[in-house]
Amino acid sequence: ILNVEQSPQSLHVQEGDSTNFTCSFPSSNFYALHWYRWETAKSPEALFVMTLNGDEKKKGRISATLNTKEGYSYLYIKGSQPEDSATYLCARNSGGSNYKLTFGKGTLLTVNP
Amino acid sequence: ETGVTQTPRHLVMGMTNKKSLKCEQHLGHNAMYWYKQSAKKPLELMFVYNFKEQTENNSVPSRFSPECPNSSHLFLHLHTLQPEDSALYLCASSQDRGGQASNQPQHFGDGTRLSIL
Repeated sequence: ILNVEQSPQSLHVQEGDSTNFTCSFPSSNFYALHWYRWETAKSPEALFVMTLNGDEKKKGRISATLNTKEGYSYLYIKGSQPEDSATYLCARNSGGSNYKLTFGKGTLLTVNP
Repeated sequence: ETGVTQTPRHLVMGMTNKKSLKCEQHLGHNAMYWYKQSAKKPLELMFVYNFKEQTENNSVPSRFSPECPNSSHLFLHLHTLQPEDSALYLCASSQDRGGQASNQPQHFGDGTRLSIL
């Protein structure tokens, strides 16, 4: 069984704060790590797909890093805005499957104005 | 607009009813997925189709029957469901590049909120 763990489960920050959360996963048979943002009443939106150890990706104020050897990824948000409020999901390929992703439960971020 | 459209958005059905969920993608992708989101649980993969062929069945009960007539359309036929099947059902699609779909982002629809009475 592949367990993808995300922490914290939820997080409240003030507008303008920078924040980060963690995704932990088994490192064996690794192909790819995905991050998605899921706003309430909308569909999950892909943020990043990372495949290489040491990968760093950036999209505006959001960035992510990947360590495949120790099995973790960090997502960073710089200068949080209320519109960043969402659940952030990470997912890893499941074992040797080329299609199956196993998701974590997500981190619910609330940014207070 | 994500390019993945699901209908209906909401569905209430009795345990003896038969209904179908529909998903259509306009992105030219060749892999399509059904996921289940139950309360306080992670997104759980149900089925994967690649070029209309089923490549994954994640031990889903036979009361859920998928159908993929072409790469753009995916259905989930529902029959004799149980109350614990009440959940949000999400469809997604992605591009399979050389047999490595897992390194491509998935594009999700808005989901169908299903309630079983």
